[in-house]
Amino acid sequence: DAKTTQPNSMESNEEEPVHLPCNHSTISGTDYIHWYRQLPSQGPEYVIHGLTSNVNNRMASLAIAEDRKSSTLILHRATLRDAAVYYCILRWQTGANNLFFGTGTRLTVIP
Amino acid sequence: DVKVTQSSRYLVKRTGEKVFLECVQDMDHENMFWYRQDPGLGLRLIYFSYDVKMKEKGDIPEGYSVSREKKERFSLILESASTNQTSMYLCASSLGGPSYNSPLHFGNGTRLTVT
Repeated sequence: DAKTTQPNSMESNEEEPVHLPCNHSTISGTDYIHWYRQLPSQGPEYVIHGLTSNVNNRMASLAIAEDRKSSTLILHRATLRDAAVYYCILRWQTGANNLFFGTGTRLTVIP
Repeated sequence: DVKVTQSSRYLVKRTGEKVFLECVQDMDHENMFWYRQDPGLGLRLIYFSYDVKMKEKGDIPEGYSVSREKKERFSLILESASTNQTSMYLCASSLGGPSYNSPLHFGNGTRLTVT
């Protein structure tokens, strides 16, 4: 099973961009890269996903390396409400049992 | 917006009790999931269901069972609660079919303490 590696924690100043890295060196050609985040006292929340091309939505951007062995979640301007644990997950094309949540990256936003 | 509702936010039960954790989603999703979350271990999948009356074991099904009699409801059952089942339990749902493109929608969790 392809897994991901993320730093345990990161800090960012408020109003500055944040780049959250994720390594997935054993990714297969059919794995999608998903990002979720978990705010304190809440369940995880979907952020963004992609396969090969970079993706943007209202919450964030996802930059995927050309060899797909790593990706970066970009928050363009961190706010205090972005303080959360961010999970990078690989999702297979078939089956519902296809999500593995690791321990994620705890992002601290400094006012 | 999709809403996934877990019946209790906090629950305290005694060792040996039978415990029911209920989860309801309002978006007609085919897939439903139960995870537990423990410090340092991330989220671990207990069971999932891709249709009514269908269930599949996840990574840690021992000591648990599930029931899905209606599409919108997925119940997690602890037949005889033990202290090592003290944890945060999270329910999620998603569309069926090719699931790689379907985000999971989570409830806010039930913190279960077994004494």
